[in-house]
Amino acid sequence: EDQVTQSPEALRLQEGESSSLNCSYTVSGLRGLFWYRQDPGKGPEFLFTLYSAGEEKEKERLKATLTKKESFLHITAPKPEDSATYLCAVGWGSSNTGKLIFGQGTTLQVKP
Amino acid sequence: DTEVTQTPKHLVMGMTNKKSLKCEQHMGHRAMYWYKQKAKKPPELMFVYSYEKLSINESVPSRFSPECPNSSLLNLHLHALQPEDSALYLCASSQVFSRKGSSEAFFGQGTRLTVV
Repeated sequence: EDQVTQSPEALRLQEGESSSLNCSYTVSGLRGLFWYRQDPGKGPEFLFTLYSAGEEKEKERLKATLTKKESFLHITAPKPEDSATYLCAVGWGSSNTGKLIFGQGTTLQVKP
Repeated sequence: DTEVTQTPKHLVMGMTNKKSLKCEQHMGHRAMYWYKQKAKKPPELMFVYSYEKLSINESVPSRFSPECPNSSLLNLHLHALQPEDSALYLCASSQVFSRKGSSEAFFGQGTRLTVV
């Protein structure tokens, strides 16, 4: 069964305390892995796209990496404004219209 | 500009009402999507339009009726909804083709729908 699993479900960090979020997937015909950030009551905000094992992308304090079975979102020296739910999604299927399977998300809280 | 605009932001409707949600994008994307998101859950795909034609319907009840009048606009017509249909409804758009695979989808801010 095609599945995307994120861990941990919730993460509390002190400001400046680096950590990683995990997204593991079992999908046949992976057509891209996507990371989004979602603030309460708002739509997901696109962060990164990864297509191939070994690929890495960076943006400010965030770095996303991809292996054949999982992706990590590394957060370096987080700030309170990084608090949000981080969603991982996998592009799936034979179509190029971007059908996405989302993980359950990791809710990150960064305390000052 | 990576903006997808949804209106209204909030909507309260009775079970006998008919209402419509609207979505607009000007990024030249030819794929547009409706997602439904319940509290503390991930978005769930409802419909996909590709080149203004419905390409995916994820077995959504007929009380939800999508429409894509042109390449920039997407509507979701609502009729005879149930209280359990209360949720955040998200519109998204993306390019149809990417040489690598699926293209990233850009989401609007959503319409918070409450059915009473």
